[in-house]
Amino acid sequence: QVHLVQSGADLKKPGASVKVSCKTSGYSFTAYYLHWVRQAPGQGFERLGWINPNSGVTNSAPSFEGRVTMTRDTSIDTVYIELSGLTSADTAVYYCARGREKGSPAYLDYWGQGSLVTVSS
Amino acid sequence: DIQMTQSPSTLSASVGDRVSITCRASQSISAWVAWYQQKPGTAPKLLIYKASTLESGVPSRFSGSGFGTEFTLTINSLQPDDFATYYCQQYKTYFTFGGGTKVEIK
Repeated sequence: QVHLVQSGADLKKPGASVKVSCKTSGYSFTAYYLHWVRQAPGQGFERLGWINPNSGVTNSAPSFEGRVTMTRDTSIDTVYIELSGLTSADTAVYYCARGREKGSPAYLDYWGQGSLVTVSS
Repeated sequence: DIQMTQSPSTLSASVGDRVSITCRASQSISAWVAWYQQKPGTAPKLLIYKASTLESGVPSRFSGSGFGTEFTLTINSLQPDDFATYYCQQYKTYFTFGGGTKVEIK
């Protein structure tokens, strides 16, 4: 079966950076884009961007450009997202999710369990 | 960005009821809509894609319809497991989600 397993919760101070990992299994890692989405407490979803695990090409949502870096390690079928310049507004659960359609845009058929990032002094 | 406006934001219903949730897109998106179910503390689960295609393993009491700018998720004969929050998502251009509809017990 397809599984996406994310790193655990993290507490960061304002101004710091956070890196979240998403390890995939059960399918061909390079065949599907992986997307990052976040959900602030009690709120809806916000797109951060996507990575093509085959080429490493990424695309960030305009509101995160310059602050977000997405990478992948094909040797361990894992993608990463790093968000810098954290503020309290970045407190959220961060999800990785697989895009069913090749490329972007896509609907998301498998999701990681989520990684809570809390930004507090 | 294409905006997705979902209504109602909260819906009170009883087991066995038929419920409908609507999503309106700010511009035509053909049938590029998906619906998800989310329970507290868990990741969303894909229910429907391409407006009306049921994801494998999802009960047939869930159905989707619509094209262009107006879309509907219908749950026939609501079951106890269906009390959750539902989100629509457009994927014509990047993707954006609706604000969610919480289906609660009446």
